[in-house]
Amino acid sequence: DGGITQSPKYLFRKEGQNVTLSCEQNLNHDAMYWYRQDPGQGLRLIYYSQIVNDFQKGDIAEGYSVSREKKESFPLTVTSAQKNPTAFYLCASSRLADTRTDTQYFGPGTRLTVL
Amino acid sequence: SQQGEEDPQALSIQEGENATMNCSYKTSINNLQWYRQNSGRGLVHLILIRSNEREKHSGRLRVTLDTSKKSSSLLITASRAADTASYFCATAGTYKYIFGTGTRLKVLA
Repeated sequence: DGGITQSPKYLFRKEGQNVTLSCEQNLNHDAMYWYRQDPGQGLRLIYYSQIVNDFQKGDIAEGYSVSREKKESFPLTVTSAQKNPTAFYLCASSRLADTRTDTQYFGPGTRLTVL
Repeated sequence: SQQGEEDPQALSIQEGENATMNCSYKTSINNLQWYRQNSGRGLVHLILIRSNEREKHSGRLRVTLDTSKKSSSLLITASRAADTASYFCATAGTYKYIFGTGTRLKVLA
């Protein structure tokens, strides 16, 4: 899992609540990413950030928000607008935002369950 | 949208056998990467092959890339029980990666 930490490992949310998932990296990477993974499925991109104070929507950004105030931190908030938030959430980083040459390093994931 | 599609979806083999899984994609790529995911864990990068490369090796892993067919294959030789995991291919688009749905490999001891 490299130098990326995610917390908590398990998170339970009641319907209508916002929750924030933490992602921290000590790899000095410029780019960071959030993915959602549903059972037996691949990864879908929620948001990505190429540099501090900048981020872009991915393929399934609705109901999610992010911030990138520090290089090492990229928290994800799952809002009440996300209708089906139960999933496994993975954070990743890469040294540069140049996908032509770079690889991604993943955190251990957070499993979010809506009660 | 998922660009990479792995085949087969699931594979079960005996320890010591070789495992081959395939990935197809739809658009032009800069590179293609393979990742492994153990159950309930994050993904681990295995190997990257650039669009101008045809084959690459890393230990017991062999990856091929055929850009004319828009496909790649991952071969794991002499498999071990510890190789049991899901394997994903990822293609690099502009500023982001697109992952396939994965092949679930089970190696029986």
